[in-house]
Amino acid sequence: LAKTTQPISMDSYEGQEVNITCSHNNIATNDYITWYQQFPSQGPRFIIQGYKTKVTNEVASLFIPADRKSSTLSLPRVSLSDTAVYYCLVRTALIFGKGTTLSVSS
Amino acid sequence: DAGVIQSPRHEVTEMGQEVTLRCKPISGHNSLFWYRQTMMRGLELLIYFNNNVPIDDSGMPEDRFSAKMPNASFSTLKIQPSEPRDSAVYFCASSFTSAGGSYEQYFGPGTRLTVT
Repeated sequence: LAKTTQPISMDSYEGQEVNITCSHNNIATNDYITWYQQFPSQGPRFIIQGYKTKVTNEVASLFIPADRKSSTLSLPRVSLSDTAVYYCLVRTALIFGKGTTLSVSS
Repeated sequence: DAGVIQSPRHEVTEMGQEVTLRCKPISGHNSLFWYRQTMMRGLELLIYFNNNVPIDDSGMPEDRFSAKMPNASFSTLKIQPSEPRDSAVYFCASSFTSAGGSYEQYFGPGTRLTVT
């Protein structure tokens, strides 16, 4: 199963762009990359998913290079409410792990 | 749709007692997942059902844990006997799965279990 590696924590300030990179060296040809967000005392919530190049929705952008061995979640102009844990998954692996704890300060 | 429903939301029990956690997935979803979350280990997959059949139970800690899905709208996770180290938040999630894999999972609010 393809395992992912991402930073344990990141700090940012309001209004900045935050980029969280995830590595998935053993990703399979048919795997999608999926990102979830989790707030305290809640279950994870789907943010974005992609296969290659760039995907953008109202919440975030996802950049995936041609070799697909990594991906970057980009959060534009973060606010205090974006403080959460962010998980990168390879869709078929179902391995959440500990994710990246993003702390946004004013 | 009301989303994934879990009950109870909180459970406090004594060591040795049986604990049953319940989950109602989103209607139309054919996959159901049970996860456990602790500070030490993060979010771990315990078991995964597809079309009511257990597909992967390799994450179930030991024989004290069992899960059932008697129909498409209900699943239980049972711990018997419970131990203090089972204290955690247990999440149920559901999704639609096709040949290409599972689509985004929708998580319930979780059950916070405390075993004293």
